[in-house]
Amino acid sequence: RKEVEQDPGPFNVPEGATVAFNCTYSNSASQSFFWYRQDCRKEPKLLMSVYSSGNEDGRFTAQLNRASQYISLLIRDSKLSDSATYLCVVKDTGGFKTIFGAGTRLFVKA
Amino acid sequence: DAGVIQSPRHEVTEMGQEVTLRCKPISGHNSLFWYRQTMMRGLELLIYFNNNVPIDDSGMPEDRFSAKMPNASFSTLKIQPSEPRDSAVYFCASRSTGASEQFFGPGTRLTVL
Repeated sequence: RKEVEQDPGPFNVPEGATVAFNCTYSNSASQSFFWYRQDCRKEPKLLMSVYSSGNEDGRFTAQLNRASQYISLLIRDSKLSDSATYLCVVKDTGGFKTIFGAGTRLFVKA
Repeated sequence: DAGVIQSPRHEVTEMGQEVTLRCKPISGHNSLFWYRQTMMRGLELLIYFNNNVPIDDSGMPEDRFSAKMPNASFSTLKIQPSEPRDSAVYFCASRSTGASEQFFGPGTRLTVL
């Protein structure tokens, strides 16, 4: 079993749609969680951290369920510019090692 | 501010040749990571350094791969000899102590013929 698993997609949605990505992780002792965004042929960049109580940044909402070892990202009112690959990221208890999921591809169409 | 700098940006070489990828982390960052990304396997952590010391190299595929960090501002990833299956994008990333975010360089796109 992979340490971090994501649905690879692709998700094809129209502009204005709401889309949700899920991610599961295997190490119950993991401490920190993030979503990164990677545009085509570019490097990954931090989108947002994921906090235990859930957090929101504009149209983006991230949630964590420690009991189920599950992370989610919700994008509301999708824009064309949201088209990218979204990477789920988990950091281990030691704080050094960061594990990336394989990513979920999103295409937003006009 | 300069971000993470990687060179070369593109490398095309023939099987059996030595390849050296270079990385300059963001000044003041004390953790450095090397990743490899392919369509098949996604983003894989190869090795990471903390304060110039290799902490975990369990992701290094085999003995053909080696990485060094002689000082806080420079790291290399070497493949010798290179093979076609090494073709991938290699990213370097850095992070400061206590911070969560890793900052990635633009990557080196390696093609081994």
